[in-house]
Amino acid sequence: QIQLQQSGPGLVKPSQTLSLTCAISGDTVSSNSAAWNWIRQSPSGGLEWLGRTYFRSKWHTDYAVSVKGRITINPDTSKNQFSLQLNSVTPEDTAVYYCTREPGGGWGQGTLVTVSS
Amino acid sequence: QSVLTQPPSASGTPGQRVTISCSGSSSNIGRNTVNWYQQLPGTAPKLLIYNNNQRPSGVPDRFSGSKSGTSASLAISGLQSEDEADYYCAAWDDSLKGWVFGGGTKLTVL
Repeated sequence: QIQLQQSGPGLVKPSQTLSLTCAISGDTVSSNSAAWNWIRQSPSGGLEWLGRTYFRSKWHTDYAVSVKGRITINPDTSKNQFSLQLNSVTPEDTAVYYCTREPGGGWGQGTLVTVSS
Repeated sequence: QSVLTQPPSASGTPGQRVTISCSGSSSNIGRNTVNWYQQLPGTAPKLLIYNNNQRPSGVPDRFSGSKSGTSASLAISGLQSEDEADYYCAAWDDSLKGWVFGGGTKLTVL
């Protein structure tokens, strides 16, 4: 049973960096058959894929065009987790953030991140 | 504006069969498989269908998925009150090089 446990602050000031971590149990971040994603859900309800990291002989990352240049997703093999950093946040980045595993589902519990001074 | 298009709402009475559509393009649904997610109020989305028509273990066979060309559908038969939720479709987009989602369909069981 794969479980994903998210951690990180729920309040970030405008122009600062949003940082979240997703700890994995029941699988490894360096699995050759999985990819590890960050997805967010805006207050209006829509889902937006932000990016992913995965290992296939070497590490790969893909980022959504909408956040490219502001986003970094890093694996941490020593702690079996992966992280999200989103720079220069604005109130439009307020959302519930989820970490997920593909394929096969597996979602974190979600973290409501509010960008406000 | 979501890349994949879903109807914002759907409804049915207990026992009925309802379908939810998801329309895309040649760069997403036309080339890649479709996932469906169910989101109950206040919870994280849950994978309902993957690879167009496969159900993860534990998902009742009342839920089924299909794909044709650049469109996909989710069907729910024998509708139950606990099926009241938001449903989202998703597919990888080769042009955008990322996952794209539908805007979600709110299913109401009357």
